[in-house]
Amino acid sequence: DQQVKQNSPSLSVQEGRISILNCDYTNSMFDYFLWYKKYPAEGPTFLISISSIKDKNEDGRFTVFLNKSAKHLSLHIVPSQPGDSAVYFCAASQGAQKLVFGQGTRLTINP
Amino acid sequence: NAGVMQNPRHLVRRRGQEARLRCSPMKGHSHVYWYRQLPEEGLKFMVYLQKENIIDESGMPKERFSAEFPKEGPSILRIQQVVRGDSAAYFCASSPLVGGFTEAFFGQGTRLTVV
Repeated sequence: DQQVKQNSPSLSVQEGRISILNCDYTNSMFDYFLWYKKYPAEGPTFLISISSIKDKNEDGRFTVFLNKSAKHLSLHIVPSQPGDSAVYFCAASQGAQKLVFGQGTRLTINP
Repeated sequence: NAGVMQNPRHLVRRRGQEARLRCSPMKGHSHVYWYRQLPEEGLKFMVYLQKENIIDESGMPKERFSAEFPKEGPSILRIQQVVRGDSAAYFCASSPLVGGFTEAFFGQGTRLTVV
């Protein structure tokens, strides 16, 4: 039962362009959503989050959009930089408890 | 200002042996979570602990796996009689909050290989 899904295993974007990573969820009780970035052989690093009462949160080059009716969130990175190449995980939580992660999307930024 | 510390970083065990994974949360954090990542998959929740209490162990296999977070010292994830399918990266995260949630901070993980 995959409650959080990232349907694109990989994404390739040219440097300077916008990267859009997508995530879908099935549990309408999720009230907090997060994006993590992960490099090989390291732990996930928190990137940005959004509460279910909002539909957008922005932090520098990173913006997360939440569409509750569609149960969909997306992460926009603009402009994309080579250092952004990593695996990105979306995660969701319900009531300040455990995180449920998607399978991850491997983002590659090409020079 | 140390982050979440996990040790060892790499652990090799033969089938049937025991594996002990340690996690020291960030200073001031009293909530610890353990996650497992199998190759090419996302992180799967295993257990959520507070000091001396297991809050949620719904993701932990019923047999061979146990976790503790004592009053003093690190949190320990223990796997008895390891099998090849236990080979994975095990991540620990800590959080300071009670009744609220911002983000959990992750350690670098322990990579367990069962041979």
